[in-house]
Amino acid sequence: QVQLVQSGAEVKKPGASVKVSCKASGYTFTSYYIHWVRQAPGQGLEWMGIINPSAGSTSYAQKFQGRVTMTRDTSTSTVYMELSSLRSEDTAVYYCARPITVNSPGDAFDIWGQGTMVTVSS
Amino acid sequence: AIWMTQSPSLLSASTGDRVTISCRMSQGISSYLAWYQQKPGKAPELLIYAASTLQSGVPSRFSGSGSGTDFTLTISCLQSEDFATYYCQQYYSFPYTFGQGTKLENK
Repeated sequence: QVQLVQSGAEVKKPGASVKVSCKASGYTFTSYYIHWVRQAPGQGLEWMGIINPSAGSTSYAQKFQGRVTMTRDTSTSTVYMELSSLRSEDTAVYYCARPITVNSPGDAFDIWGQGTMVTVSS
Repeated sequence: AIWMTQSPSLLSASTGDRVTISCRMSQGISSYLAWYQQKPGKAPELLIYAASTLQSGVPSRFSGSGSGTDFTLTISCLQSEDFATYYCQQYYSFPYTFGQGTKLENK
């Protein structure tokens, strides 16, 4: 079945970087964009950015520009989200999500990863 | 960026009730709006996309309406499994933004 499986929880110190993976299966990896969304404890959802797994092109929310890097490995059908210069406010669950429509960045998300908890603490 | 105002933030209702959640945009987004349900410790689940299209497998008691700047999610007859948090999302332009969420609790 179609699924996105994310890497496990991480604990990082302020100033460090974290790299979260999202492995796709059950569909043609390069045919669907992948988005990243995060959710701080008890808070709402926040869109971080998007990657085109075919071309590798990306677009990031201005808030994360300069700190976030999204990449992909087509040989393993995996996308990565790396966030640097971590601070306590980055403590959140990070989700990858796939849009409904093939080859379309602009659509609702029908497939979500299970989420990866990233804790930033000294 | 497009700002969204979702209301109410907290909604108390009982099984069998009809409830409505609203989402207002700072600018028109045509019908590029989705609604999600999220339960504690779980990823969001898509309910409605294109403002009014029911996602496959979602019960027909859920419905969406609106276009432009004003949108509504309606649950016609609340079931126990519907008590959760609901979010609207615009996917008209980057950055895609979400409403602040509506927590639907059992009265």
